[in-house]
Amino acid sequence: DAKTTQPTSMDCAEGRAANLPCNHSTISGNEYVYWYRQIHSQGPQYIIHGLKNNETNEMASLIITEDRKSSTLILPHATLRDTAVYYCIVLAYSGAGSYQLTFGKGTKLSVIP
Amino acid sequence: DGGITQSPKYLFRKEGQNVTLSCEQNLNHDAMYWYRQDPGQGLRLIYYSQIVNDFQKGDIAEGYSVSREKKESFPLTVTSAQKNPTAFYLCASSIFPRNYGYTFGSGTRLTVV
Repeated sequence: DAKTTQPTSMDCAEGRAANLPCNHSTISGNEYVYWYRQIHSQGPQYIIHGLKNNETNEMASLIITEDRKSSTLILPHATLRDTAVYYCIVLAYSGAGSYQLTFGKGTKLSVIP
Repeated sequence: DGGITQSPKYLFRKEGQNVTLSCEQNLNHDAMYWYRQDPGQGLRLIYYSQIVNDFQKGDIAEGYSVSREKKESFPLTVTSAQKNPTAFYLCASSIFPRNYGYTFGSGTRLTVV
């Protein structure tokens, strides 16, 4: 069963903020939200992750709602190089101290000049 | 620089032949993973290994085999039993057991003719 729901595609004007939503209504208290992106024909690239609090790094910001049922990835000033498929992933515990990333289809973000 | 190397980038094989995809990492990561990606789809887990000489089946292990004789290496063999082997294959690694965040290789595109 899918643990996250994302829009299939989004467009964003170059230089504007890109806000990518994700629903994860069945998330457990100890599960993290991860964001990766995949540029065409390359391996996925880690962007950011969080548990409860909002997070920011040099690539993006992650806003998690108080009930943790949804989150938003924000790219503050989108460039053409940000065109990619963005995956929102809940890090699922698989036993014996192990966690696994389960990828859905993600959101295809197109940054338009 | 540390990272994951997958080779070759493109691979062509005749139907019915076994083929082995290479994955090497110098990140000193304990856990390694193989994913398969079909066009327009997300990533599906084939096999993963948390420590040397141990590995577990993922969601779509049928028709594939792996070995983990060294910490740095996790080769994937696509056997003739895999009914639809043409796909993009991605290898990843992470720190185990608290494997927060994966590092991915650049992928191998396998085409069976």
